[in-house]
Parts: sequence; structure tokens; C-alpha cells
Amino acid sequence: KAGVTQTPRYLIKTRGQQVTLSCSPISGHRSVSWYQQTPGQGLQFLFEYFSETQRNKGNFPGRFSGRQFSNSRSEMNVSTLELGDSALYLCASSLRFGGSDEQFFGPGTRLTVL
Amino acid sequence: QKEVEQDPGPLSVPEGAIVSLNCTYSNSAFQYFMWYRQYSRKGPELLMYTYSSGNKEDGRFTAQVDKSSKYISLFIRDSQPSDSATYLCAMSVGSGTYKYIFGTGTRLKVLA
Repeated sequence: KAGVTQTPRYLIKTRGQQVTLSCSPISGHRSVSWYQQTPGQGLQFLFEYFSETQRNKGNFPGRFSGRQFSNSRSEMNVSTLELGDSALYLCASSLRFGGSDEQFFGPGTRLTVL
Repeated sequence: QKEVEQDPGPLSVPEGAIVSLNCTYSNSAFQYFMWYRQYSRKGPELLMYTYSSGNKEDGRFTAQVDKSSKYISLFIRDSQPSDSATYLCAMSVGSGTYKYIFGTGTRLKVLA
């Protein structure tokens, strides 16, 4: 069974640009969560999608947005990039939403903002 | 006060040692507990998943949950250099609109 896949694996952008990251969950998993990981803040929850609807949201500005498609694949968008957005962005999938199932992570997309 | 506290380490142990990694938490509603292992520049890998209190064993790994003390542990027996990684605890209420809360991770180094 294929794991969670994320594309691209690495990105370099400049301040002010926007970026879109993609995540394909494990087959059969309908919940996709996004996290930002930095050395100083650790893993911080961005949002969770289930059945194409955002079910949970973390404390991030509106520049961070996401969506989920009917096949459960998800995209995350960050607009007007700032230097502080440099981080490892992780996608995780689970069967259901809300934190009662095992959650499996992808390899992450490492974003560098110059 | 953070909802989940985890000693960041680093923790250095000799090969073959028993390692104990711990997290404390403040929300008594947490019911689902997980441990992840994360190698440098990789995504976290799920090691253990437990519900409510008690112990769970999987190979060299044992997860322990003490809800009365709001304390969870991961024990690694016969530690190997390949166990050198950051270990993250995570927990959730699991009520449908709640999310997973992660500890900041403990860096472990197993010396050959």
C-alpha cells in the first residue's frame, strides 16, 4: 500500500510570491491534515480536510489556505510569502477526521523563502 | 502552559541500553496517544498508537499511558544506533472537531 506522497519535495521562492503544495493521502483515507514544522516552534497544525470540507483550523493567518478534492487529494496554498514561512510542510492522512485514528505523514515539502 | 510537554534532550545512550522517553499533558480529555520517530529531514513515522490507559508492546517498543498522572512513555529496549532520531509524542481528544497536539520532540542519540 502506497504511503502519503507530497510534491514537490523542495521549493525555493522569494518574498511576496505564492506557492502551492500537493498531497496525496493513503488510498482509502479521507482526512488530510497539514502541519508546519520549524526548529523553533515544532509541529504546528494548519488545517484538516475531510470530504472536501475544512473541519479543523489552526492559528495561522489567512495567507495559508487549502482545499481537498473529491479523490481526497489536497493542496495547500501560501500567498504573499514571508521569510518566516520557511519550513518543512507536512501532510498527514487518516481514515476519519477529528483525531481518533492513526495519522500517517508524508515526507514533507521543504520550503525556503529568500 | 503548553498542553503537551516533552523534554527536548538531547538524550545520549550507549548501544543496547533501555531508553525511556516521556511526555506530560494537561488536558484530561485526551484519549488517543501516539509516538512518532522522525529522522533528520524526513517526515514523522508512526511507531505506536494507543487508546486510553495501559501498555502496548511492539517488538522493542513499549508505549505506556498513565491517565491518572497525565503521563505517557515510550520505552525502547536494546537500543540501536539506527534508533537515533527525534521522537515526538502526540495526543488527541478524538471528539470529531478536535485535532492532534504534538510535543516538541526529544532528540535521541544511541552511541555505537
